[in-house]
Amino acid sequence: SQQGEEDPQALSIQEGENATMNCSYKTSINNLQWYRQNSGRGLVHLILIRSNEREKHSGRLRVTLDTSKKSSSLLITASRAADTASYFCATGGYSGNTPLVFGKGTRLSVIA
Amino acid sequence: SQTIHQWPATLVQPVGSPLSLECTVEGTSNPNLYWYRQAAGRGLQLLFYSVGIGQISSEVPQNLSASRPQDRQFILSSKKLLLSDSGFYLCAWSLGTPGDHEQYFGPGTRLTVT
Repeated sequence: SQQGEEDPQALSIQEGENATMNCSYKTSINNLQWYRQNSGRGLVHLILIRSNEREKHSGRLRVTLDTSKKSSSLLITASRAADTASYFCATGGYSGNTPLVFGKGTRLSVIA
Repeated sequence: SQTIHQWPATLVQPVGSPLSLECTVEGTSNPNLYWYRQAAGRGLQLLFYSVGIGQISSEVPQNLSASRPQDRQFILSSKKLLLSDSGFYLCAWSLGTPGDHEQYFGPGTRLTVT
């Protein structure tokens, strides 16, 4: 079953602007992860945030998690054309041996 | 360092033909292994995952099957392909409890069933 749902489905911004993508989910989670996928390629792991964390940074990426609202956001600051890709959130539950559940993704286009 | 290989990169097969996609991981032991399918412009659908040799969990009933003959080898098969089997197939691995750690993906196989 689909757990995470990204919003918006597509986003187009100018180079240098910030990009914000959101992910909402329905059930309790152990962790939430964000991945990037360039066209025709495999997914690349960006960041993992645990349910007891509220914010995490990695370079130009900032992820927040609000477990009370069952939502997360991914912020990419000072975007570049190379950030053009699809971004997926994935949730990990508390049940043992239950794989990640991926959302449908946000397609980000950064225009130079 | 760990690497994951998938082959072939692209495949065009007629309806009714068999399928075998292979995935191997190097540089780690006892990985969890996963097969996903992605339709054009869509999200990932988990097909199978395995936490050990000979242990396969199926997420979606279909005409595909998976096997794990060795610790770091995961094979996706079909006896007779359907048009609906077309898509982008991704293999991935992770360590520890599935869902608790990051996954690492292979480059994918683009399958077109004609």
